[in-house]
Amino acid sequence: EAQVTQNPRYLITVTGKKLTVTCSQNMNHEYMSWYRQDPGLGLRQIYYSMNVEVTDKGDVPEGYKVSRKEKRNFPLILESPSPNQTSLYFCASSLRTGDSPLHFGNGTRLTVT
Amino acid sequence: QKEVEQNSGPLSVPEGAIASLNCTYSDRGSQSFFWYRQYSGKSPELIMFIYSNGDKEDGRFTAQLNKASQYVSLLIRDSQPSDSATYLCAVNMYSNYQLIWGAGTKLIIKP
Repeated sequence: EAQVTQNPRYLITVTGKKLTVTCSQNMNHEYMSWYRQDPGLGLRQIYYSMNVEVTDKGDVPEGYKVSRKEKRNFPLILESPSPNQTSLYFCASSLRTGDSPLHFGNGTRLTVT
Repeated sequence: QKEVEQNSGPLSVPEGAIASLNCTYSDRGSQSFFWYRQYSGKSPELIMFIYSNGDKEDGRFTAQLNKASQYVSLLIRDSQPSDSATYLCAVNMYSNYQLIWGAGTKLIIKP
């Protein structure tokens, strides 16, 4: 089944404890992206990648890191999480940039205390 | 001016009626337009995409694009309670090929 898989689905952590949210797609998509979604603020792009070893900042990249060492995986790293990073996170992928529909993972609800 | 604008709603529509959702965008060079449905706490799922001026129909859903007026709309015929969700409009920006998202319109279908 074609899908984008995010893990974990739920994560509660404490301020400053490094964490990684994994994202993997099995559709051989070139483009991958991370979003966060907060009430009243809609979907905001954190980082995106147009292909292997190519990553770019989105609208809200501060406090996050990503890597794209292989086509299928695009992990999101929070080196020192803070409470303002409590949010619902989505990974998404598409065949190409721009004109292809995005396929979303199921989301990761992160709480930082 | 926001790049992609949607009325936040909620838009309340009786069951069986037509729901009309609208989206305006600022980038005249935009080429690709997408409608996603999102249930509370769930991930967005693609409803329709449209690239050319005019109408595109898929079952009960019709997307309408007017590039001259810079708007795209989604019509849902024979609305069902299961259509109650937030509908997100996304537009590909010609300048950097990134998707710009509207804030979404909350649709409520009343039985």
